[in-house]
Amino acid sequence: AQSVSQHNHHVILSEAASLELGCNYSYGGTVNLFWYVQYPGQHLQLLLKYFSGDPLVKGIKGFEAEFIKSKFSFNLRKPSVQWSDTAEYFCAVIDSGGYNKLIFGAGTRLAVHP
Amino acid sequence: EAQVTQNPRYLITVTGKKLTVTCSQNMNHEYMSWYRQDPGLGLRQIYYSMNVEVTDKGDVPEGYKVSRKEKRNFPLILESPSPNQTSLYFCASAGLAGGTDTQYFGPGTRLTVL
Repeated sequence: AQSVSQHNHHVILSEAASLELGCNYSYGGTVNLFWYVQYPGQHLQLLLKYFSGDPLVKGIKGFEAEFIKSKFSFNLRKPSVQWSDTAEYFCAVIDSGGYNKLIFGAGTRLAVHP
Repeated sequence: EAQVTQNPRYLITVTGKKLTVTCSQNMNHEYMSWYRQDPGLGLRQIYYSMNVEVTDKGDVPEGYKVSRKEKRNFPLILESPSPNQTSLYFCASAGLAGGTDTQYFGPGTRLTVL
């Protein structure tokens, strides 16, 4: 079965710092990858997704992610974080054996201090 | 506005008392799914439905039931809740686009079973 690993469970940054959240997946075939964000008390929102094509994907709110097939990675980046980016971030992959089934990582809690 | 709604948003109940969490979407999506979110585990799929009267188990279906009598609704039923079902529950929906369509999530239902 596929799995998704997020390396950092908690990240604390100051405003304007750069952000990189790690995500690795286990499946070696064609993958569809997502980053979702969950702001405090809110539902999950899609930040960006990768299905094919340019491995550098740009999402909303200035986020981007790079798909590196050789490293089975899909890391999320933002050059300069804001206090409003405080949230939990989830990497997910479509399960190759389950239609539309998302396999989520454990999540990374990001706290941005002013 | 395109959305997935869940009710109730918060629920405290006691062991063994049957409950239903409703989920409704207004996007005419064929696919609907339930996930539970637990700290350190991310989101795990409970059940999913590919269309009316078509449902199947996800990764953690024990103790849950679902039904899909109408396209827009996908209720989650706990016949005899137990404390280990205390969790945050999310409903999601997606169109059928080769199994890679973006999933839209509801606001979540926080359930506590005493």
